Amino acid sequence: DVKVTQSSRYLVKRTGEKVFLECVQDMDHENMFWYRQDPGLGLRLIYFSYDVKMKEKGDIPEGYSVSREKKERFSLILESASTNQTSMYLCASSLRGGPLYNEQFFGPGTRLTVL
Amino acid sequence: AQSVAQPEDQVNVAEGNPLTVKCTYSVSGNPYLFWYVQYPNRGLQFLLKYITGDNLVKGSYGFEAEFNKSQTSFHLKKPSALVSDSALYFCAVRDRNSGNTPLVFGKGTRLSVIA
Repeated sequence: DVKVTQSSRYLVKRTGEKVFLECVQDMDHENMFWYRQDPGLGLRLIYFSYDVKMKEKGDIPEGYSVSREKKERFSLILESASTNQTSMYLCASSLRGGPLYNEQFFGPGTRLTVL
Repeated sequence: AQSVAQPEDQVNVAEGNPLTVKCTYSVSGNPYLFWYVQYPNRGLQFLLKYITGDNLVKGSYGFEAEFNKSQTSFHLKKPSALVSDSALYFCAVRDRNSGNTPLVFGKGTRLSVIA
C-alpha cells in the first residue's frame, strides 16, 4: 500500500514563527503536492513538485515556500506564520510517468493553528 | 481551464435509502474523473475513477459513479446508504490533454446518513 505520512497531526504555533510541515511517501512517486483545506473552500493547491529540486506554484502560494531535496520528502514552509494560515494541510503524491489517470494518494493531514 | 462543481454542500439521506452525490465538470478535452472520501480528521481516500469505456464505474465500499458526457456529470451513487458512509466527498478532474498536472477538486459535499 502507498503510504504518505505527515510529521504532525496537530500543530500550534504563534504568529511570526517559522513553521515546517514535513511529508514523506514510500512509493517512489515523482509528483508531490501540498493543499490546504478550509470549510466551504474545498482543497486549494499551494505548491507541487514533479521531481527533486523542482517546484511549481499552485493556486495560493503566497506566504508559503517548499523544499524537495529528496524524492520521498516534500516540505512546506511558512516563513512567518499568520492567523489566516490556520488550516488543515494535506500532502499528496502520485506517479508521474505512465497514464495520466494515476490517482493522488493523500496523507492524514496536519491541523495547524496559528495564535 | 479545468473545473469541478459540486452543487450541494450537504446531502441528507436515511439509512437504507439510495444516495446520490452530484458532480459536474468542465474541461476542454476529455476527462479523467475521480471521487475521494474524507472521514473526520483524516486525509482523502480514493474511491473510484473513470478512465474510458463503460460509463458505470464501480469502486470501494459499494459506491459507483456514472459518467455522462452529454451532461458533463459524474454523480456518485450507492443503492443503500449506511450510517458509516457519513463523510465529506470530493469530486476531481484532470483533462487528458493537460499533461502531468494536479487534479482539480470540487469544494466537497458533506453526506449525512441518518439511522
